[in-house]
Amino acid sequence: RKEVEQDPGPFNVPEGATVAFNCTYSNSASQSFFWYRQDCRKEPKLLMSVYSSGNEDGRFTAQLNRASQYISLLIRDSKLSDSATYLCVVSTNTGNQFYFGTGTSLTVIP
Amino acid sequence: ETGVTQSPTHLIKTRGQQVTLRCSSQSGHNTVSWYQQALGQGPQFIFQYYREEENGRGNFPPRFSGLQFPNYSSELNVNALELDDSALYLCASSNPYSGGQETQYFGPGTRLLVL
Repeated sequence: RKEVEQDPGPFNVPEGATVAFNCTYSNSASQSFFWYRQDCRKEPKLLMSVYSSGNEDGRFTAQLNRASQYISLLIRDSKLSDSATYLCVVSTNTGNQFYFGTGTSLTVIP
Repeated sequence: ETGVTQSPTHLIKTRGQQVTLRCSSQSGHNTVSWYQQALGQGPQFIFQYYREEENGRGNFPPRFSGLQFPNYSSELNVNALELDDSALYLCASSNPYSGGQETQYFGPGTRLLVL
């Protein structure tokens, strides 16, 4: 079983739409959670950390459900520039290994 | 920009050859992790170095080895290259004792093609 599972998509949405990505993880001892964004042929870049209480950064909202071992990312009012692959990342409490999902591809259409 | 640099940016090798990839970590970061990202996949953890010692290893064979230097820069060495080693190799630096959640910052990667 994979450590982190994501729906690979692709998600094709119109500008202004709201889109949600989901991710599940298998290790209940996981302590740190992140969403990274990766543009085509570029390196992953941190989008946001995910905290137990949930957190918001502008149009982006991340949620963590430890009981269900589930992480989500909500993007409101999608922009063309949001088109990218979104990677769900989980780390154990030792922090020395990040487990990445396969990524979810998003294309925002004019 | 994360301040993490990698060299070379692209590399072409043939099966059986050896390759060395290099990474300079962000200022203030003492930990370097290496990842392999095949096309259409998420990055897969190879290993991590902290203060010049290996500090965790993923499911990669021994022909993948590494080093970290006193200035925290790092090398990834791959011996006996195979076609399946063709991938984007990413280096990420972090400071696990900076407080809060440890965040890894990635370099631009090295694209390796094995023919």
